[in-house]
Amino acid sequence: KAGVTQTPRYLIKTRGQQVTLSCSPISGHRSVSWYQQTPGQGLQFLFEYFSETQRNKGNFPGRFSGRQFSNSRSEMNVSTLELGDSALYLCASSRRGDEETQYFGPGTRLLVL
Amino acid sequence: GENVEQHPSTLSVQEGDSAVIKCTYSDSASNYFPWYKQELGKGPQLIIDIRSNVGEKKDQRIAVTLNKTAKHFSLHITETQPEDSAVYFCAARLLTGGGNKLTFGTGTQLKVEL
Repeated sequence: KAGVTQTPRYLIKTRGQQVTLSCSPISGHRSVSWYQQTPGQGLQFLFEYFSETQRNKGNFPGRFSGRQFSNSRSEMNVSTLELGDSALYLCASSRRGDEETQYFGPGTRLLVL
Repeated sequence: GENVEQHPSTLSVQEGDSAVIKCTYSDSASNYFPWYKQELGKGPQLIIDIRSNVGEKKDQRIAVTLNKTAKHFSLHITETQPEDSAVYFCAARLLTGGGNKLTFGTGTQLKVEL
């Protein structure tokens, strides 16, 4: 069974731009969570989606948003990029009935210049 | 909210020795505690987990123990090998408002030396 896939793997943007990252969960998994990983703040929870609905959100500004499609694929968007948004963005999926067990993708490395 | 502390931040052991990483959590409502291994350039890989109704779990050279009263849990790796070198993260899951989120520790850089 294929793992969680994220695209693109690397991205360079400039301040003020916006970016969209994509995540395809493991087949059959319906829950998708997003995390931001930085050297200074570590791994921080962004949001969680299940059945196209956001059911949990971390402490990030409104510039960070996401959505989930009917096939469980998810996207996250960051608008008006800031230098501090440079990070590894990780997506994790889990299956219904065992949603606490989260499997991570390889991440998207975002660099904001 | 939940807070997870992890120690040590770096750990160096000789091949064949054991390694122990410890974590404490703050919210007694947390009920699931996974451990992840992250190698350079990769996403975190789940290596073992434990639920709050279990005190210990073992999988080959890896074991995790949980003390709910003291709110701490530990990862034990025996007979360490060079391929065990990586960053290890503990996490706690707090079921909130119908969803679930993982709160992570700050990570432990494990180096297994030959």
